[in-house]
Amino acid sequence: DAGITQSPRHKVTETGTPVTLRCHQTENHRYMYWYRQDPGHGLRLIHYSYGVKDTDKGEVSDGYSVSRSKTEDFLLTLESATSSQTSVYFCAISEYGLYEQYFGPGTRLTVT
Amino acid sequence: GENVEQHPSTLSVQEGDSAVIKCTYSDSASNYFPWYKQELGKRPQLIIDIRSNVGEKKDQRIAVTLNKTAKHFSLHITETQPEDSAVYFCAASTAGNQFYFGTGTSLTVIP
Repeated sequence: DAGITQSPRHKVTETGTPVTLRCHQTENHRYMYWYRQDPGHGLRLIHYSYGVKDTDKGEVSDGYSVSRSKTEDFLLTLESATSSQTSVYFCAISEYGLYEQYFGPGTRLTVT
Repeated sequence: GENVEQHPSTLSVQEGDSAVIKCTYSDSASNYFPWYKQELGKRPQLIIDIRSNVGEKKDQRIAVTLNKTAKHFSLHITETQPEDSAVYFCAASTAGNQFYFGTGTSLTVIP
């Protein structure tokens, strides 16, 4: 597995609270991605980054924000968590952007 | 944006038989098509990929074919084994650095 870690691995939080998920890589890859995985939907892109402080929206970005202040870290923030954001969140990295992506172990988030 | 459709959603085969999973895409600008295998509770793992300038690629028992005219690509697994049981996802990458995934195929290989 590529050097990707996610923290926390599991989290239960209440509706309306802020939540931050962290993705950390040791591969020095330029591109980093956040996906959510839900039954019947596969993997859907939330946001991605193509460099430090360079980010863009994916197809399901509403309710999420991201930040990347260092090459190795990509943070996903839910400003005010809702039950519809209960999901498994995967981070991915890619050296060149258009090609091979490698996924982190995932974070299971439950919003009650 | 891109729309990737994947069929079938579930597939059962006898050990030793072949399995075929098909995906279609809508954006003719898509130029990279990876396949991922995901075991229960694990991360998706890249198993094979193909770029738009290639029609077929093989890696041991796994092959992928691409038909750009028809906008579809397929995963072929030969001589299936119980350890091939997993969920398989196809994806398409556009020039905008975004990946669009199919909804997955749950493959069961019956010993």
